[in-house]
Amino acid sequence: NAGVTQTPKFRVLKTGQSMTLLCAQDMNHEYMYWYRQDPGMGLRLIHYSVGEGTTAKGEVPDGYNVSRLKKQNFLLGLESAAPSQTSVYFCASSYGGRVSYGYTFGSGTRLTVV
Amino acid sequence: AQSVAQPEDQVNVAEGNPLTVKCTYSVSGNPYLFWYVQYPNRGLQFLLKYITGDNLVKGSYGFEAEFNKSQTSFHLKKPSALVSDSALYFCAVRLYSSASKIIFGSGTRLSIRP
Repeated sequence: NAGVTQTPKFRVLKTGQSMTLLCAQDMNHEYMYWYRQDPGMGLRLIHYSVGEGTTAKGEVPDGYNVSRLKKQNFLLGLESAAPSQTSVYFCASSYGGRVSYGYTFGSGTRLTVV
Repeated sequence: AQSVAQPEDQVNVAEGNPLTVKCTYSVSGNPYLFWYVQYPNRGLQFLLKYITGDNLVKGSYGFEAEFNKSQTSFHLKKPSALVSDSALYFCAVRLYSSASKIIFGSGTRLSIRP
């Protein structure tokens, strides 16, 4: 059971380039989330999805887009990368509507924009 | 506004001594509280949660947390620290909403010296 898998693990982009981060979960979870982690700021929610075909904005959505075409996959896109998007990105998933459950996290993607 | 606060950026403890990592919260309604741990270059791992019932919650690796409703706190504790406990710890609260989002504190780095 792989849980939540993120690809790639590391990436260096030039300013203005685009890329897509992939998150895949094999636990049949309804809800999926993308967070970014920056020093001293904890984790901030970028976008989330409460089911296949649905997405919504989180706390810091600007500069990112997402898609949830399949229940098991949640993609995070950067259309035109900026140095301010240098961060560690985490994907998480959880059972839908069951607030007593926590999240299962992926191992993260470290992105550097130069 | 609903929030989670971890007042200490870093906690230093000698191996074998008890440790406490502090967390306070501000939410409307009944809180669902969590502690996660992050080891270097890894995703967040679930430690323990409080949903309802006994105010003292036991979790993984010998950790426990005490829920105090009057002080709106959920401090993480361990009777005897190990060097291997050194990591970044996040307190979190899950909101009872349509997306059941989790809000994370800014994190506390725990350093255990031999």
